[in-house]
Amino acid sequence: DAGVIQSPRHEVTEMGQEVTLRCKPISGHDYLFWYRQTMMRGLELLIYFNNNVPIDDSGMPEDRFSAKMPNASFSTLKIQPSEPRDSAVYFCASSLVWGATNYEQYFGPGTRLTVT
Amino acid sequence: QQQVKQSPQSLIVQKGGISIINCAYENTAFDYFPWYQQFPGKGPALLIAIRPDVSEKKEGRFTISFNKSAKQFSLHIMDSQPGDSATYFCAASNKGSGNTGKLIFGQGTTLQVKP
Repeated sequence: DAGVIQSPRHEVTEMGQEVTLRCKPISGHDYLFWYRQTMMRGLELLIYFNNNVPIDDSGMPEDRFSAKMPNASFSTLKIQPSEPRDSAVYFCASSLVWGATNYEQYFGPGTRLTVT
Repeated sequence: QQQVKQSPQSLIVQKGGISIINCAYENTAFDYFPWYQQFPGKGPALLIAIRPDVSEKKEGRFTISFNKSAKQFSLHIMDSQPGDSATYFCAASNKGSGNTGKLIFGQGTTLQVKP
């Protein structure tokens, strides 16, 4: 298995532009998580999905952030318009929870976003 | 109640020494306590995990000690090596809350092992 795949790996954009981050979870996993990591705030959970349905988006910082999961193998995190304070590393993670005895989350390599 | 507090924020240890990272939680419903390891430029990866029905779990040089009454758990890295230099996150999960698998992460500890 290729693991969780994220694209792009690096994104540099100007303030005000729309940014779309992409994630392909591990096949068969039923949960997908989006995290943001910064030096100041550590690892923050933004939103997570179960079977493609958003369960908890309380971590999404503002209405400028939105996430979708149109099918079991693809999710996007969109920021519109982007701001310099959105600069961070964004991770996608997936897990198989149904029937599991642990909740190991498998993280992707992350997308480093820089907004100038 | 949902927080997991981790300390220290950073740690420097000599090669061969013992690295100890501590975490504390409030929610007694938590029933799964993993540690994740993150190398620069990579995503976090599961290192070792424990359930509250045991007080200790060991895997190679890595040991989790769990104190249910104190609501604390810690990671011990024996014979620390330069290759262990990474950021370590503790986490906790509440299986009873709809079995979501949502993890509550600590703030992270950056470990540097000096040769």
